[in-house]
This record gives sequence, C-alpha cells and structure tokens, in this order.
Amino acid sequence: GAVVSQHPSWVICKSGTSVKIECRSLDFQATTMFWYRQFPKQSLMLMATSNEGSKATYEQGVEKDKFLINHASLTLSTLTVTSAHPEDSSFYICSARESGANSPLHFGNGTRLTVT
Amino acid sequence: GQQVMQIPQYQHVQEGEDFTTYCNSSTTLSNIQWYKQRPGGHPVFLIQLVKSGEVKKQKRLTFQFGEAKKNSSLHITATQTTDVGTYFCAGRYNFNKFYFGSGTKLNVKP
Repeated sequence: GAVVSQHPSWVICKSGTSVKIECRSLDFQATTMFWYRQFPKQSLMLMATSNEGSKATYEQGVEKDKFLINHASLTLSTLTVTSAHPEDSSFYICSARESGANSPLHFGNGTRLTVT
Repeated sequence: GQQVMQIPQYQHVQEGEDFTTYCNSSTTLSNIQWYKQRPGGHPVFLIQLVKSGEVKKQKRLTFQFGEAKKNSSLHITATQTTDVGTYFCAGRYNFNKFYFGSGTKLNVKP
C-alpha cells in the first residue's frame, strides 16, 4: 500500500529557532499533500494544503509566514516552523493522496515538536 | 471554515457491547472517510463512503452514509479490546480538502 514517510518523528528545539519537517510519499506521486496539527486528545486540524509547484493554501487563522510550506517535487513537502514558541509545541502530521477523486489520505507517522 | 461534528467524545464499553459514533455536517459532503488512531499512532484509513445512503461492512464494523450526504455513522458490534482507539470521520466537500471530526475515543474494558 501507499506509504508516507515523515521525518523527524520528534524534535526538541529552543524558542526562537526554526524547525523543518519533511513529508515524503515513498511509492506514489502526490501533487497535493496536507499538513495537520493535533493537540493532545484533540482532533486533527487542517493547517494547509501543499500544492506541488505552487503556493500552499492556508486555512483561516494559520499564519503562512510562521508555517512555511514548500512542495518542490511530487514526492516531498516540507513544513518549517519559524521562530518557534512554546505554544507551537504540538503533534504535526502530514498526509498525501494518490491520484483519483476518491482516494484516501495516507498519513505519515507524525512529528512531536516540543519548544522549550 | 467547514465543520464536521462528531459525537460522543468518549465512550467506555464492556467487551462484547456495541459501540456507535456519529458524524454530522451542516452542508452536503462529497464523500466521507473513517480513520482509526491508536494511542501514540497516526490515523489509519478504514473506509470511504461516496454514495447517498451507502452502507459498507468490514467484519464487525458497519459504516453508513446518510441519504442527504450530511451525516455518517460507524457501528461496531461486540467490541473487543483491540477496538480501543480514537475513531475519526473526515468529510470532503466540493474541493480537495478533508476536515476531521473531533473524534470519539473508545475504551473497551475486558
């Protein structure tokens, strides 16, 4: 089945630094990837849609200058949390879809970000 | 933005009892998908419903999509401890995005 690899699985950083998270579709091409954020015991909140070769589209309330998304190829999207603050600590999960209107989302294993 | 409401938030059942979680959208969905997330894990795709009134079964799991394509349910018959986890519905509207319900956390007591 389709596999999405997300790296790193966890990261601890200091306030003010930036962190990059990678999301790769290993055995399929994904023109669109999605970045979600999940707080403890809560649902997945869609942050942005990453489009290969074009700008990402962000959900309302998500700061695009803080959460930089780059989708440089059909198999790789990156999310960079810039100038991280403790309130950015969360579980970030990417997902990708194969082609086809009704194909399911395949999720990466997520990245646990802790900002100290 | 779009919202998918899901209830209940938590459900504690004795092993062998049934379990149901419900999702509702205020606007018509293009399709709906169901995911299961184990503690510490990532969501895993269970099934997708596309047609109005569609019913699909996976062993002890029964999924339904409402006639108006605004609501859906997941029913588990005779729960087992392996069913423990959080079940999410994810609704797709007329654009390429999925919005997740708040999830129902299922705990099964042996």
